[in-house]
Amino acid sequence: DVKVTQSSRYLVKRTGEKVFLECVQDMDHENMFWYRQDPGLGLRLIYFSYDVKMKEKGDIPEGYSVSREKKERFSLILESASTNQTSMYLCATLLYGYTFGSGTRLTVV
Amino acid sequence: GDSVTQMEGPVTLSEEAFLTINCTYTATGYPSLFWYVQYPGEGLQLLLKATKADDKGSNKGFEATYRKETTSFHLEKGSVQVSDSAVYFCAVANAGGTSYGKLTFGQGTILTVHP
Repeated sequence: DVKVTQSSRYLVKRTGEKVFLECVQDMDHENMFWYRQDPGLGLRLIYFSYDVKMKEKGDIPEGYSVSREKKERFSLILESASTNQTSMYLCATLLYGYTFGSGTRLTVV
Repeated sequence: GDSVTQMEGPVTLSEEAFLTINCTYTATGYPSLFWYVQYPGEGLQLLLKATKADDKGSNKGFEATYRKETTSFHLEKGSVQVSDSAVYFCAVANAGGTSYGKLTFGQGTILTVHP
């Protein structure tokens, strides 16, 4: 089975900090995605990547950037964290089906 | 772009009751349709899927039929259990074009089943 690992389960950061959320997969999947999950809004796509060093904006990319230097790792970066970025962040990969990580709950104070 | 509208929750049922969670979508082309489930404290798991019109996805007693004429993919279960308490998400994916198979989700429906 594919495993998608998100480095932190819970994270608390201060407003203005630069935050890195890491996602690592143990298979050779090309497509990787970052979503954020908020009550009543479901999951919304932030960024996705279909190959190393390739990235595409999703539906809500503002305030975020991503990095994909190696195929197995897809990082989400909050350049200057704000309180409205407090959320659950989910990483996923795709090859014939989607596999999700268990999520990082980020609180910005 | 694609969009998904799910039945508003939360839904509270007694054990062994019948469950329906409505889902309708708008999408171009021939999308695939999914139901995902998220148990407390966990990530999303695929519950079932359908890839073409009139397909029925099923798993763990849950079923959903891809209805292209009504653009719907309603989730049903004949007899729910306490262990079915979770958040359920309907989603659509277009594999073609430049979307690279990205999923568009509904807002989620919280289901609570009481003994």
